[in-house]
Amino acid sequence: QLVLTQSPSASASLGASVKLTCTLSSGHRSYAIAWHQQQPEKGPRYLMKVNNDGSHNKGDGIPDRFSGSTSGAERYLTISSLQSEDEADYYCQTWGTGLWVFGGGTKLTVL
Amino acid sequence: EVQLVESGGGLVQPGGSLRLSCAASGFTFNNYEMNWVRQAPGKGLEWVSYIGSGGSPIYYPDSVRGRFTISRDNAKNSLYLQMNSLRAEDTAVYYCARRYSGYADYWGQGTLVTVSS
Repeated sequence: QLVLTQSPSASASLGASVKLTCTLSSGHRSYAIAWHQQQPEKGPRYLMKVNNDGSHNKGDGIPDRFSGSTSGAERYLTISSLQSEDEADYYCQTWGTGLWVFGGGTKLTVL
Repeated sequence: EVQLVESGGGLVQPGGSLRLSCAASGFTFNNYEMNWVRQAPGKGLEWVSYIGSGGSPIYYPDSVRGRFTISRDNAKNSLYLQMNSLRAEDTAVYYCARRYSGYADYWGQGTLVTVSS
């Protein structure tokens, strides 16, 4: 079964960096994923696609502070030079024929 | 600029029906597959339905299959979700989202559906 696992919460200080993790279920480690940001009271926003080779494709207007990477079954979202507006929920997503699967989301707190 | 604008949400009693709409603009609508995704209060994202660019194929998760129907009108650049036999657990913000190379690349702002007596 295709499942994505995320830690429920993360925190980092203003101006620092943080690395969020999304883990693909066994048998699916070659899958690409997408990262989405959801700020409070807003709809989700596509950030980037992260491929199994670590390459990533960002959405329109996504700052260079956001980057993606891969290690085995794990897909990462790194945010550098954290700003207050980065405080949000971050969801990873993958897909199959016609279906979408989302991770449970990570709530990022900027201290 | 790509825009997706949902409408049609509201308060409905258990067992009732509601039809959501999503108006698309800023791109060639009939070139893209589309999806509905929902988010219950304080919860994560849940995929609700998929429709191909020409109106087929169509897919649903078990949680809504047989109760929800996705459709589209490419001449009107619009996506729809007919929701029947609504339950309290269907209470959520419903988002339409464009599908590109598998993933969601644009989202609407959402419309709230509340199922309660």
